[in-house]
Amino acid sequence: DQQVKQNSPSLSVQEGRISILNCDYTNSMFDYFLWYKKYPAEGPTFLISISSIKDKNEDGRFTVFLNKSAKHLSLHIVPSQPGDSAVYFCAAVYQGAQKLVFGQGTRLTINP
Amino acid sequence: DAGVIQSPRHEVTEMGQEVTLRCKPISGHNSLFWYRQTMMRGLELLIYFNNNVPIDDSGMPEDRFSAKMPNASFSTLKIQPSEPRDSAVYFCASRGSRQLLYGYTFGSGTRLTVV
Repeated sequence: DQQVKQNSPSLSVQEGRISILNCDYTNSMFDYFLWYKKYPAEGPTFLISISSIKDKNEDGRFTVFLNKSAKHLSLHIVPSQPGDSAVYFCAAVYQGAQKLVFGQGTRLTINP
Repeated sequence: DAGVIQSPRHEVTEMGQEVTLRCKPISGHNSLFWYRQTMMRGLELLIYFNNNVPIDDSGMPEDRFSAKMPNASFSTLKIQPSEPRDSAVYFCASRGSRQLLYGYTFGSGTRLTVV
């Protein structure tokens, strides 16, 4: 049972445009959400997070939006740069738990 | 800080053979996680340890998989016997008790191929 789902395996965006990566979850107990970025032959690294008490968190070119009623979050990257090409994983956790639940990942390709 | 160190980076083995993956967490980190990455399911948590004690192994696929953490600086994930469907990238991650949730630090992974 996939509690965190990323339905788009891949996304291709032109350099300078906005990249939007989506993530859905089914467990209403989740109260903290994270995005990780992964380059080939490397482990995932933390990118940005959001608490369920917020609906938006911004860090430079990266913004995460949370819609709790729809159990949906998205990551916006503006403007997209070639170095953003990577696999992006959405993850979720609930208070008291220690383990992150990850989605399947979305491969983002930024075209020059 | 050398980060989380995993070995080997690549492993190719024949079906039925025993495979042992190794992980050295960051010094001072007291939680260790083993994840498996596949195309279909993304990153799946297999097992995690707190202070060397296994806390949750509900993600371990079956009895062929076992994990140990004999001390704070070393953990192993063993598959015996291995099967082609075990082919995946296996990641180890560690986290300190004072770190927030995003404090997971992942190793570079072990790419396992079972033929």
